Amino acid sequence: AQSVTQPDIHITVSEGASLELRCNYSYGATPYLFWYVQSPGQGLQLLLKYFSGDTLVQGIKGFEAEFKRSQSSFNLRKPSVHWSDAAEYFCAVGAPGGSNYQLIWGAGTKLIIKP
Amino acid sequence: EPEVTQTPSHQVTQMGQEVILRCVPISNHLYFYWYRQILGQKVEFLVSFYNNEISEKSEIFDDQFSVERPDGSNFTLKIRSTKLEDSAMYFCANPGQAPNYGYTFGSGTRLTVV
Repeated sequence: AQSVTQPDIHITVSEGASLELRCNYSYGATPYLFWYVQSPGQGLQLLLKYFSGDTLVQGIKGFEAEFKRSQSSFNLRKPSVHWSDAAEYFCAVGAPGGSNYQLIWGAGTKLIIKP
Repeated sequence: EPEVTQTPSHQVTQMGQEVILRCVPISNHLYFYWYRQILGQKVEFLVSFYNNEISEKSEIFDDQFSVERPDGSNFTLKIRSTKLEDSAMYFCANPGQAPNYGYTFGSGTRLTVV
């Protein structure tokens, strides 16, 4: 069965420090891969997505993610975090093959920024 | 940037009451989804809708739930007799179309059942 694992429930980093949020998936082929961010009580904002091609994808707010097929991973990175990045981050996968696919979600990683 | 619009943003209802959550999806998109997120838990798929029919539904989407397209543009998610455990954030979404596949979510409706 398809699954998404975000091993870190919480991560605390200092403002200005680099960030890496981990995401591993279980799927028979290369799925569509997504990272979303959610501020408390708010909706889901798409940070970036991977469908095919270049395995390093750039997103909004200075985030990037790298797809590593051999590790079934799609880790999210940012070189220097800002206090406004404090939020919950969700990794999600979807079955490729068109515009009809549901997303399977990770449990989320809550990012805490130390001043 | 196309948007998915949901109303209301927050709804409080008594247990056993019916609620209707509304969504205006991106026009000309074929597929339409509802997800929910119980507080502190992961997002879960509820149902997908295509061409005025349900195309797929999860175990969560039992007989208490229904999806309709009452006027050709708006979508509704109805919960007939709400339970306490229905309290959650409900999101509608469009999965996108070629060549720019991607999921666009509405801002969500926070449903609180008391």
